[in-house]
Amino acid sequence: EDQVTQSPEALRLQEGESSSLNCSYTVSGLRGLFWYRQDPGKGPEFLFTLYSAGEEKEKERLKATLTKKESFLHITAPKPEDSATYLCAVSAETSGSRLTFGEGTQLTVNP
Amino acid sequence: DTGVSQDPRHKITKRGQNVTFRCDPISEHNRLYWYRQTLGQGPEFLTYFQNEAQLEKSRLLSDRFSAERPKGSFSTLEIQRTEQGDSAMYLCASSLGGIWYEQYFGPGTRLTVT
Repeated sequence: EDQVTQSPEALRLQEGESSSLNCSYTVSGLRGLFWYRQDPGKGPEFLFTLYSAGEEKEKERLKATLTKKESFLHITAPKPEDSATYLCAVSAETSGSRLTFGEGTQLTVNP
Repeated sequence: DTGVSQDPRHKITKRGQNVTFRCDPISEHNRLYWYRQTLGQGPEFLTYFQNEAQLEKSRLLSDRFSAERPKGSFSTLEIQRTEQGDSAMYLCASSLGGIWYEQYFGPGTRLTVT
């Protein structure tokens, strides 16, 4: 069974204080690993897809990296508007088209 | 707005009533997904359509749940005889299919069963 574990559950940062969120996964045949951002009361917003170990993607202050066992979402010099829950999900070759999500990391950036 | 839309955004119902939700995917997407999300958890897969065919259902999807996508465009999710445990956010997503696995989510329908 596919498993996705995110840590920490919650993270508080001061504006400008860089940090990383972790996503550990166990799947049989990774098709892709996805990062989403979710604001309270809204649907997840797609950020990145990573397909193979060593791959990196960047968008503004966010950078996602992938190894064979985990992914990191690095946040550089965060701003209060980066406050949200960040979700990691995997698509596996043995699991059809479904995404299996972790429980998310709730990020709060204080001004 | 060409994103995924869902209707209604909020639904309050009494236990035992039936409810139906609608999802309109991104127009060129042939795959449509339903997920359920409870507070503090990530979304959980319920079912998925490719065009009008329902190809996969989670064991989470009890007999009280049924989904349709009659013309391969919009989809409906019906819950019969609602229970308090059905209270959750119901999310719809769509994707292009083929080698494109990114799923784009709608705003969700918040269901509260009293």
